Amino acid sequence: SQTIHQWPATLVQPVGSPLSLECTVEGTSNPNLYWYRQAAGRGLQLLFYSVGIGQISSEVPQNLSASRPQDRQFILSSKKLLLSDSGFYLCAWLRGEWDTQYFGPGTRLTVL
Amino acid sequence: ILNVEQSPQSLHVQEGDSTNFTCSFPSSNFYALHWYRWETAKSPEALFVMTLNGDEKKKGRISATLNTKEGYSYLYIKGSQPEDSATYLCAFIFRGSQGNLIFGKGTKLSVKP
Repeated sequence: SQTIHQWPATLVQPVGSPLSLECTVEGTSNPNLYWYRQAAGRGLQLLFYSVGIGQISSEVPQNLSASRPQDRQFILSSKKLLLSDSGFYLCAWLRGEWDTQYFGPGTRLTVL
Repeated sequence: ILNVEQSPQSLHVQEGDSTNFTCSFPSSNFYALHWYRWETAKSPEALFVMTLNGDEKKKGRISATLNTKEGYSYLYIKGSQPEDSATYLCAFIFRGSQGNLIFGKGTKLSVKP
């Protein structure tokens, strides 16, 4: 069976500090991978998606970036965090266009 | 800009009540609609994937209908239980996307025993 891992579960970072959130998927190959964020009072917003190694599409221009160094690894990064980066970050994977997306446990990021 | 609207924003019901919420989405370039259930401190869990106009799906006490021509879907919960308390999200996929979901803000359901 497939599982998706995210870490860390919670993170408190000062403004201007770097960020690295990691997501890995087990039990599947060549999945589509997604990063979402839910900011306070808002819905889930797609940040990045990837259809393969090294292939990243950005949905929202901002100070975040994503990378996919391996087939089942997806990393969300920032060089300098902003207060507005606070939120709940979810990674998800997709088997096929008709299928559901499967979400990881999420990371709660607070930028102070 | 593609927009998915959900109503109501929140709902408080008594145990045993039946309830329903609405998801509105663009009717053009429709590909699929997903419903997810998101409990506090857990990750969203898929309920239904709906693709055809007139689709009706059921899972236990929860069911959903789809009208792609007018751009809406209803989620029904029959005989609500406290464990149904969660945020219910709908998400729209438009034709030509890479399966990317556009989420509504959700309906937060609280069921009191």
